Amino acid sequence: GQQVMQIPQYQHVQEGEDFTTYCNSSTTLSNIQWYKQRPGGHPVFLIQLVKSGEVKKQKRLTFQFGEAKKNSSLHITATQTTDVGTYFCAGRNSGGYQKVTFGTGTKLQVIP
Amino acid sequence: EAQVTQNPRYLITVTGKKLTVTCSQNMNHEYMSWYRQDPGLGLRQIYYSMNVEVTDKGDVPEGYKVSRKEKRNFPLILESPSPNQTSLYFCASSPGNSAGVLTFGAGSRLTVL
Repeated sequence: GQQVMQIPQYQHVQEGEDFTTYCNSSTTLSNIQWYKQRPGGHPVFLIQLVKSGEVKKQKRLTFQFGEAKKNSSLHITATQTTDVGTYFCAGRNSGGYQKVTFGTGTKLQVIP
Repeated sequence: EAQVTQNPRYLITVTGKKLTVTCSQNMNHEYMSWYRQDPGLGLRQIYYSMNVEVTDKGDVPEGYKVSRKEKRNFPLILESPSPNQTSLYFCASSPGNSAGVLTFGAGSRLTVL
């Protein structure tokens, strides 16, 4: 079945440093979503990417979808303590519209 | 307020004692789904439903049952819980009959002794 891996599993950064998490799927995706889960909270939708090579920005966050639609990345510029949490990618199979497979998540800790 | 409501939020139970985790959404969403979250494994889908009376297995359905008799409700049933079902459970819903943008409930932390 489809597998979605994320690296790194954990990342500690000094406040103000940049952070990137990578998401890789074993199969081609129709789209990819990103979610953020604050400590003790639930996943909250951030963004969805659909097109091959698509790049979207939300303030200090930059999301990319690979040309082959099998990988994606989330980059945060100049991290802040409010960025703390676990970031998940979630890929929808190109043939299975009912199924979204979540990545393993990257837990970000920002040191003030 | 648009939301997905899960109950109970916390539960400690013993092996073999049947339990139900309720999930209700007020957004008229067709699609609903259950996930379990375990350290290092991310969110794994247990069951999903595309509409009333339409359910299907996700990646880890063993030991769980679901039903979708009404559009707003999607309970998760553990007929005979075992310790390996100790986990954090999330219910989620999305508009349309496919998995679009998901709105998650607050989560239910279950411990099976």
